[in-house]
Amino acid sequence: QVQLRQSGPGLLKPSQTLSLTCAISGDSVSSDSATWNWIRQSPSRGLEWLGRTYYRSEWHSDYAESLRSRITISPDTSKNQFSLQMNSVTPDDTAVYFCARVEEVGYSFDSNDYGLDVWGQGTTVTVSS
Amino acid sequence: DIQVTQSPTFLSASVGDRVTLTCRASQGIMTYLAWYRQKPGNAPQLLISATSILQRGVPSRFSGSGSGTEFTLTINNLEPEDFATYYCQQLHSFPFTFGPGTTVDIK
Repeated sequence: QVQLRQSGPGLLKPSQTLSLTCAISGDSVSSDSATWNWIRQSPSRGLEWLGRTYYRSEWHSDYAESLRSRITISPDTSKNQFSLQMNSVTPDDTAVYFCARVEEVGYSFDSNDYGLDVWGQGTTVTVSS
Repeated sequence: DIQVTQSPTFLSASVGDRVTLTCRASQGIMTYLAWYRQKPGNAPQLLISATSILQRGVPSRFSGSGSGTEFTLTINNLEPEDFATYYCQQLHSFPFTFGPGTTVDIK
């Protein structure tokens, strides 16, 4: 059974850097059939996909364009986890942050046919001075 | 970005009812659509991928259909655990945007 366990601070001041980690059990961050995603949820923005990392012979990352200049999603193969870093946070970044997996195995060879099937427990991040 | 809308915003129903939720995309997304159910305090749960493929373990009372820009999620014979908020997500283009959700509550 695949599980994702999130960790990281829940309170930040404006301009600080948000760092969250998602530890994987039951799967591998280096899997060639999975992608590892970050999503956030707030009352004002709803659910917002932030980006992903994945391994297909080499490491790849994709980001929401609106956040590309501020975020980095990266794997840590030694700890079988992946992380989110977001620079220069503002109160607008206050949200519940989730990590999630997409497993591209089963009924289709098209990677876009698969949704986010395993989620972390969520981390409430508050940005306030 | 592809905009995703959902209707209705709120829906009141009773146990045993059949309900239909709608999701629309601002441009064609073929069948690259997923549906999630979220209960308060929990992460979303994937119900359906690729418009109509039920995830393992999801009851058969859930079904999805559509293509292009209009999609539906139908829940037959509502169970108590189905009173929740439902989100659709397009997986056609970055960023993979979500709809604002439909909340199904008890009449």
